[in-house]
Amino acid sequence: ETGVTQTPRHLVMGMTNKKSLKCEQHLGHNAMYWYKQSAKKPLELMFVYNFKEQTENNSVPSRFSPECPNSSHLFLHLHTLQPEDSALYLCASSQALLAGGRYNEQFFGPGTRLTVL
Amino acid sequence: AQSVTQLGSHVSVSEGALVLLRCNYSSSVPPYLFWYVQYPNQGLQLLLKYTSAATLVKGINGFEAEFKKSETSFHLTKPSAHMSDAAEYFCAVSAPNDYKLSFGAGTTVTVRA
Repeated sequence: ETGVTQTPRHLVMGMTNKKSLKCEQHLGHNAMYWYKQSAKKPLELMFVYNFKEQTENNSVPSRFSPECPNSSHLFLHLHTLQPEDSALYLCASSQALLAGGRYNEQFFGPGTRLTVL
Repeated sequence: AQSVTQLGSHVSVSEGALVLLRCNYSSSVPPYLFWYVQYPNQGLQLLLKYTSAATLVKGINGFEAEFKKSETSFHLTKPSAHMSDAAEYFCAVSAPNDYKLSFGAGTTVTVRA
């Protein structure tokens, strides 16, 4: 148990569907992350939230819309996705990010395996 | 900018044999380096990290890695493989004052009985 949970674990959706991925952390952290993991490719950082404020959007298409209502929860809203968006989506959390501060260990959830038909 | 290259996308070892996973980094500043492991159907778990202290870093599950600046390497080793070591391993790098991790493509380890 890593303290970071993700639901659902598996999701199959059509290109016209709207769905949401949920992440919850039980570690008392204040920073949360979304990553995309495609087969045989390095993990790609998508979004970062620090104290509920988005601090990073790594040129992610607008069909992915993140939401961070509080420091414990992070959502990824999906709409009109493409088949190439099929991947494992990982959520992570860490201690709060401070300006000029050092690296904080990131704790990962088990991921949501997304298939877009 | 920082990046890592993992040499070999797949490594197969016999149970009890040495595990060696190679990682070379590129960084414009002194790097922080990490190894993560991902077991099937699970998220990533930190094995060990180098943050400019001792160059030989010991991690969990008997793994260790050595930072070699002259070779820009951070190879991961375990003296004796166990069946439970079968997983995917990722090397990652960051700058000391940056939360962003740059990951390698991963190396899948299989352990033969």
